[in-house]
Amino acid sequence: QSALTQPRSVSGSPGQSVTISCTGTSSDVGDTYYVSWYQQYPGKAPRVMIYDVHQRPSGVPDRFSGSKSGNTASLTISGLQAEDEADYFCCSYVGTYTFVFGTGTTVSVL
Amino acid sequence: EVQLVESGGGLIQPGGSLRLSCAASGFTVSRRHMAWVRQAPGKGLDWVSFLHSDSSTYYADSVKGRFTISRDSSINTLYLQMNSLGAEDTAVYYCVTSAGGFDSWGQGTLVTVSS
Repeated sequence: QSALTQPRSVSGSPGQSVTISCTGTSSDVGDTYYVSWYQQYPGKAPRVMIYDVHQRPSGVPDRFSGSKSGNTASLTISGLQAEDEADYFCCSYVGTYTFVFGTGTTVSVL
Repeated sequence: EVQLVESGGGLIQPGGSLRLSCAASGFTVSRRHMAWVRQAPGKGLDWVSFLHSDSSTYYADSVKGRFTISRDSSINTLYLQMNSLGAEDTAVYYCVTSAGGFDSWGQGTLVTVSS
Protein backbone atom coordinates (compact mmCIF):
# COMPACT_ATOMS: atom_id res chain seq x y z
CA GLN A 1 0.00 0.00 0.00
CA SER A 2 1.57 3.29 -1.09
CA ALA A 3 1.45 6.39 1.06
CA LEU A 4 -1.20 8.94 0.23
CA THR A 5 0.12 12.00 -1.58
CA GLN A 6 0.22 15.36 0.18
CA PRO A 7 1.98 18.58 -0.82
CA ARG A 8 5.30 18.93 0.96
CA SER A 9 4.44 22.38 2.27
CA VAL A 10 1.79 25.07 2.26
CA SER A 11 1.93 28.55 3.70
CA GLY A 12 -0.29 31.48 4.46
CA SER A 13 -0.47 34.72 6.36
CA PRO A 14 -2.32 35.03 9.65
CA GLY A 15 -6.05 35.17 9.05
CA GLN A 16 -5.87 33.54 5.64
CA SER A 17 -7.13 30.08 4.72
CA VAL A 18 -4.98 27.19 3.58
CA THR A 19 -6.04 23.82 2.21
CA ILE A 20 -4.02 20.63 2.32
CA SER A 21 -4.86 17.91 -0.18
CA CYS A 22 -4.50 14.19 0.37
CA THR A 23 -4.70 12.14 -2.80
CA GLY A 24 -5.17 8.41 -2.82
CA THR A 25 -6.92 5.90 -5.03
CA SER A 26 -10.30 4.29 -5.46
CA SER A 27 -9.06 1.55 -3.10
CA ASP A 28 -8.43 3.85 -0.15
CA VAL A 29 -9.58 7.48 0.07
CA GLY A 30 -12.11 7.00 -2.71
CA ASP A 31 -13.65 3.97 -1.03
CA THR A 32 -14.04 4.98 2.60
CA TYR A 33 -15.65 7.41 4.96
CA TYR A 34 -12.78 6.83 7.42
CA VAL A 35 -10.33 9.58 6.56
CA SER A 36 -8.62 11.39 9.42
CA TRP A 37 -6.12 14.22 9.85
CA TYR A 38 -3.36 14.68 12.43
CA GLN A 39 -1.40 17.68 13.61
CA GLN A 40 2.13 17.18 14.90
CA TYR A 41 4.52 19.66 16.48
CA PRO A 42 8.27 18.87 16.41
CA GLY A 43 9.18 16.28 19.00
CA LYS A 44 5.57 15.73 20.03
CA ALA A 45 3.01 13.02 19.43
CA PRO A 46 0.39 13.61 16.76
CA ARG A 47 -3.10 14.82 17.63
CA VAL A 48 -6.26 13.98 15.72
CA MET A 49 -7.89 17.07 14.22
CA ILE A 50 -10.50 15.52 11.93
CA TYR A 51 -11.95 12.01 11.70
CA ASP A 52 -14.56 10.37 9.45
CA VAL A 53 -13.75 12.92 6.71
CA HIS A 54 -15.23 15.96 8.46
CA GLN A 55 -15.90 15.21 12.13
CA ARG A 56 -14.08 17.40 14.63
CA PRO A 57 -13.13 15.97 18.04
CA SER A 58 -13.97 17.92 21.15
CA GLY A 59 -11.43 20.66 21.73
CA VAL A 60 -10.39 21.13 18.10
CA PRO A 61 -11.07 24.70 16.92
CA ASP A 62 -13.82 25.03 14.35
CA ARG A 63 -11.42 26.75 11.95
CA PHE A 64 -10.29 23.22 11.06
CA SER A 65 -12.55 21.47 8.58
CA GLY A 66 -12.37 18.37 6.42
CA SER A 67 -13.92 17.27 3.15
CA LYS A 68 -13.55 14.68 0.44
CA SER A 69 -14.19 14.49 -3.28
CA GLY A 70 -13.47 11.32 -5.17
CA ASN A 71 -9.99 10.07 -4.35
CA THR A 72 -8.89 13.30 -2.69
CA ALA A 73 -9.49 14.42 0.87
CA SER A 74 -8.79 17.94 2.07
CA LEU A 75 -8.09 19.73 5.33
CA THR A 76 -8.82 23.45 5.42
CA ILE A 77 -7.56 25.78 8.10
CA SER A 78 -9.51 29.02 8.10
CA GLY A 79 -8.31 32.10 9.91
CA LEU A 80 -4.75 30.79 10.10
CA GLN A 81 -3.00 31.39 13.40
CA ALA A 82 0.66 31.18 14.41
CA GLU A 83 -0.06 28.12 16.54
CA ASP A 84 -1.24 26.24 13.43
CA GLU A 85 2.34 26.04 12.19
CA ALA A 86 3.00 22.30 12.33
CA ASP A 87 3.12 19.12 10.26
CA TYR A 88 -0.16 17.59 9.13
CA PHE A 89 -0.80 14.01 8.08
CA CYS A 90 -3.88 12.43 6.55
CA CYS A 91 -4.82 8.80 7.08
CA SER A 92 -7.21 6.53 5.23
CA TYR A 93 -8.80 3.22 6.09
CA VAL A 94 -7.92 0.67 3.42
CA GLY A 95 -10.16 -2.16 4.52
CA THR A 96 -9.88 -5.14 6.89
CA TYR A 97 -8.56 -2.93 9.69
CA THR A 98 -5.56 -1.72 7.72
CA PHE A 99 -4.61 1.91 7.25
CA VAL A 100 -2.32 4.14 5.22
CA PHE A 101 -0.95 7.58 6.09
CA GLY A 102 -0.15 10.48 3.84
CA THR A 103 3.33 11.79 3.15
CA GLY A 104 2.82 14.80 5.39
CA THR A 105 2.56 18.57 4.87
CA THR A 106 4.37 21.33 6.71
CA VAL A 107 2.19 24.37 7.27
CA SER A 108 4.06 27.64 7.64
CA VAL A 109 2.51 30.85 8.90
CA LEU A 110 4.20 33.80 7.20
CA GLU B 1 -8.44 10.86 31.40
CA VAL B 2 -6.94 8.50 28.83
CA GLN B 3 -3.21 7.99 29.26
CA LEU B 4 -0.83 5.79 27.28
CA VAL B 5 2.77 5.24 28.37
CA GLU B 6 5.10 3.30 26.11
CA SER B 7 8.30 1.62 27.20
CA GLY B 8 10.76 -0.97 25.99
CA GLY B 9 12.52 0.91 23.24
CA GLY B 10 16.28 1.10 22.89
CA LEU B 11 19.27 0.17 20.79
CA ILE B 12 19.14 -3.30 19.29
CA GLN B 13 21.35 -5.08 16.78
CA PRO B 14 20.02 -6.11 13.37
CA GLY B 15 18.24 -9.43 13.57
CA GLY B 16 17.40 -8.93 17.22
CA SER B 17 14.09 -8.85 19.07
CA LEU B 18 12.40 -6.31 21.29
CA ARG B 19 9.08 -6.09 23.07
CA LEU B 20 7.36 -2.76 23.47
CA SER B 21 4.81 -2.18 26.21
CA CYS B 22 2.05 0.40 26.48
CA ALA B 23 0.53 0.88 29.91
CA ALA B 24 -2.97 2.29 29.61
CA SER B 25 -5.07 4.15 32.16
CA GLY B 26 -8.42 5.88 32.09
CA PHE B 27 -10.03 3.15 30.00
CA THR B 28 -10.03 -0.63 29.52
CA VAL B 29 -7.68 -1.84 26.78
CA SER B 30 -9.73 -4.96 26.07
CA ARG B 31 -12.80 -2.86 25.26
CA ARG B 32 -11.08 -0.56 22.78
CA HIS B 33 -9.49 -1.02 19.40
CA MET B 34 -5.76 -0.36 19.73
CA ALA B 35 -2.89 0.13 17.30
CA TRP B 36 0.80 0.87 16.89
CA VAL B 37 2.01 3.63 14.60
CA ARG B 38 5.67 4.40 13.99
CA GLN B 39 7.67 7.31 12.67
CA ALA B 40 11.21 7.00 11.36
CA PRO B 41 13.48 9.95 12.20
CA GLY B 42 12.50 12.94 10.08
CA LYS B 43 9.87 10.92 8.22
CA GLY B 44 6.11 10.54 8.15
CA LEU B 45 3.73 8.34 10.09
CA ASP B 46 3.51 4.64 9.28
CA TRP B 47 0.71 2.38 10.48
CA VAL B 48 2.13 -0.86 11.91
CA SER B 49 -0.56 -3.01 13.52
CA PHE B 50 -4.15 -3.05 14.78
CA LEU B 51 -5.75 -5.04 17.60
CA HIS B 52 -9.52 -5.23 17.42
CA SER B 53 -11.46 -5.38 20.66
CA ASP B 54 -12.52 -8.90 19.62
CA SER B 55 -8.78 -9.86 19.72
CA SER B 56 -8.31 -10.17 15.96
CA THR B 57 -4.99 -8.76 14.75
CA TYR B 58 -3.86 -7.01 11.59
CA TYR B 59 -0.45 -5.97 10.29
CA ALA B 60 1.21 -3.82 7.66
CA ASP B 61 2.87 -5.93 4.96
CA SER B 62 6.26 -4.56 6.03
CA VAL B 63 6.03 -6.21 9.46
CA LYS B 64 3.77 -9.21 8.82
CA GLY B 65 5.34 -12.38 10.14
CA ARG B 66 7.87 -10.46 12.25
CA PHE B 67 5.73 -8.38 14.64
CA THR B 68 2.97 -9.52 16.99
CA ILE B 69 0.47 -7.25 18.72
CA SER B 70 -1.18 -8.45 21.91
CA ARG B 71 -2.66 -7.27 25.20
CA ASP B 72 -2.77 -8.31 28.82
CA SER B 73 -6.15 -7.34 30.21
CA SER B 74 -5.11 -8.10 33.80
CA ILE B 75 -2.65 -5.21 33.75
CA ASN B 76 -4.34 -3.12 31.05
CA THR B 77 -1.30 -3.18 28.80
CA LEU B 78 -0.74 -3.40 25.05
CA TYR B 79 2.36 -5.03 23.58
CA LEU B 80 4.28 -5.18 20.34
CA GLN B 81 6.69 -8.07 19.99
CA MET B 82 9.21 -7.27 17.26
CA ASN B 83 11.47 -9.96 15.80
CA SER B 84 14.05 -10.01 13.01
CA LEU B 85 14.56 -6.30 13.30
CA GLY B 86 16.27 -4.38 10.54
CA ALA B 87 17.49 -0.83 10.04
CA GLU B 88 14.18 0.00 8.37
CA ASP B 89 12.42 -0.58 11.68
CA THR B 90 14.26 2.29 13.37
CA ALA B 91 11.54 4.67 14.50
CA VAL B 92 9.58 6.15 17.35
CA TYR B 93 6.75 3.74 18.08
CA TYR B 94 3.45 5.18 19.28
CA CYS B 95 0.68 3.29 21.03
CA VAL B 96 -2.73 4.64 20.00
CA THR B 97 -6.40 4.09 20.64
CA SER B 98 -8.71 3.82 17.67
CA ALA B 99 -12.20 5.25 17.96
CA GLY B 100 -12.73 8.54 16.13
CA GLY B 101 -9.59 8.13 14.06
CA PHE B 102 -6.50 7.40 16.14
CA ASP B 103 -7.78 9.50 18.99
CA SER B 104 -5.27 9.11 21.80
CA TRP B 105 -1.50 8.77 21.50
CA GLY B 106 1.29 7.91 23.88
CA GLN B 107 4.52 9.89 23.96
CA GLY B 108 6.31 7.23 21.93
CA THR B 109 9.35 5.04 22.51
CA LEU B 110 12.41 5.12 20.25
CA VAL B 111 13.69 1.90 18.70
CA THR B 112 17.10 2.09 17.05
CA VAL B 113 18.32 -0.88 15.05
CA SER B 114 22.05 -0.62 14.50
CA SER B 115 25.24 -2.58 14.92
